[in-house]
Amino acid sequence: GQQVQQSPASLVLQEGENAELQCNFSTSLNSMQWFYQRPGGSLVSLFYNPSGTKQSGRLTSTTVIKERRSSLHISSSQTTDSGTYLCAMERGTGGYKVVFGSGTRLLVSP
Amino acid sequence: EAAVTQSPRSKVAVTGGKVTLSCHQTNNHDYMYWYRQDTGHGLRLIHYSYVADSTEKGDIPDGYKASRPSQENFSLILELASLSQTAVYFCASSVGTGVSAETLYFGSGTRLTVL
Repeated sequence: GQQVQQSPASLVLQEGENAELQCNFSTSLNSMQWFYQRPGGSLVSLFYNPSGTKQSGRLTSTTVIKERRSSLHISSSQTTDSGTYLCAMERGTGGYKVVFGSGTRLLVSP
Repeated sequence: EAAVTQSPRSKVAVTGGKVTLSCHQTNNHDYMYWYRQDTGHGLRLIHYSYVADSTEKGDIPDGYKASRPSQENFSLILELASLSQTAVYFCASSVGTGVSAETLYFGSGTRLTVL
């Protein structure tokens, strides 16, 4: 089964609304990261957050390793926030392997 | 700013044909990766490399070969393209083993359509 589950799969907001994106892991993990993918474009890193809470502007990431989950909170959404948000985890030891979630597609309308 | 450049940006190939996707990084990173992205599957790792002239299999290597002739260049080769290989392909590089204190730097992607 899929090791990284993201929810919701898609989300539509009115500008100014808040959003909460979830990422759940079925296995233990060493670290995790949130990425933003521009519509039809590349991925950029938002947060490297293996544990605890980190904030950057209107974005807040919270990871609880023991509960194998991470969330991304977007406050006061803007149309420019539209795109896909992916979380990625690095599995245990024994070589490099990163597993991505399938993403949450966010559309913020004016 | 780290830079990863992919070429071509898009390609249409015929079934059974050979396709080569190229990736060039100017980050001086040791690690490079090839991922494919399909709707509903996120990104999946095909091949990766941590040193020139050496490549490693990722999670879905079947039907793909990789080549790392230099630290800067990493190619993905489809010897016999198939319909199921229609996808968007991303190259990435990193200093270390990926999702760690260092981040992954991605190219803009190559949209491959196999007809």
